[in-house]
Amino acid sequence: EPEVTQTPSHQVTQMGQEVILRCVPISNHLYFYWYRQILGQKVEFLVSFYNNEISEKSEIFDDQFSVERPDGSNFTLKIRSTKLEDSAMYFCASSDMDISQETQYFGPGTRLLVL
Amino acid sequence: KQEVTQIPAALSVPEGENLVLNCSFTDSAIYNLQWFRQDPGKGLTSLLLIQSSQREQTSGRLNASLDKSSGRSTLYIAASQPGDSATYLCAPASGGSYIPTFGRGTSLIVHP
Repeated sequence: EPEVTQTPSHQVTQMGQEVILRCVPISNHLYFYWYRQILGQKVEFLVSFYNNEISEKSEIFDDQFSVERPDGSNFTLKIRSTKLEDSAMYFCASSDMDISQETQYFGPGTRLLVL
Repeated sequence: KQEVTQIPAALSVPEGENLVLNCSFTDSAIYNLQWFRQDPGKGLTSLLLIQSSQREQTSGRLNASLDKSSGRSTLYIAASQPGDSATYLCAPASGGSYIPTFGRGTSLIVHP
C-alpha cells in the first residue's frame, strides 16, 4: 500500500541553524500539507500546498518557514533559523483530492529537537 | 476560531468492552469531521471521515456519528481489543480551506 515517507526520522540542531525536513508524498497525490505537534500538545496545521504554490497557511507559518516541491516527488519544509520553540514532531500529509472530499494520508513524522 | 474538546482525556478498559469517545466543537459550520488514530511516536491514521451532510459513518467495529447543529461527534468502538490501544483524535474541518482543527485526543488503553 502506498505511503507517505519522511526523512530524517529524528533531527537535533542548534538554535539559529537552518533545517530542511523532507517528505515523499504518495505518488499520484496533488495536495500536500505540513503539520506539527509539540510534545503533549495538539496537532497544528502549518501549511497546505497545491499546484506549486501555498494555498493556505496558519499564523505559525511565519517568514522563518518555507515549503518547496523541488522535483516531482519531494516536498520539503525549511526552517531558516530554528528557535527552541520549534522543537516538535513535524508531519507531512498528502491527498489526491481536496480535503473537503478526501482524507489525508500522514507520514510517520520527523522529531526535531532544537538545543 | 474553532475549538475542539475531547472527553475523556484518557480511558483504560478491559478487552471486550464497548466504548464511546466524545468530541465537541465550537463552530458548527464544518465541512466534514475526521477521526484519526495516533500510535505513540507515529503518524496519524484516518479512521473515518463524515461529511457535513451525513449523520454517521461505519468501518468495521468503528462507528462515528455527527450532530453538526449541536457541535458534537461520537466515536463508538465495539468489542474493544488490545490492538485498539492508541490516542484517538477528532478533527472537524471548517473555514474556506477545509483545514482540520485537532482536539487533544483521548488516550485509550485496552488491557487483556
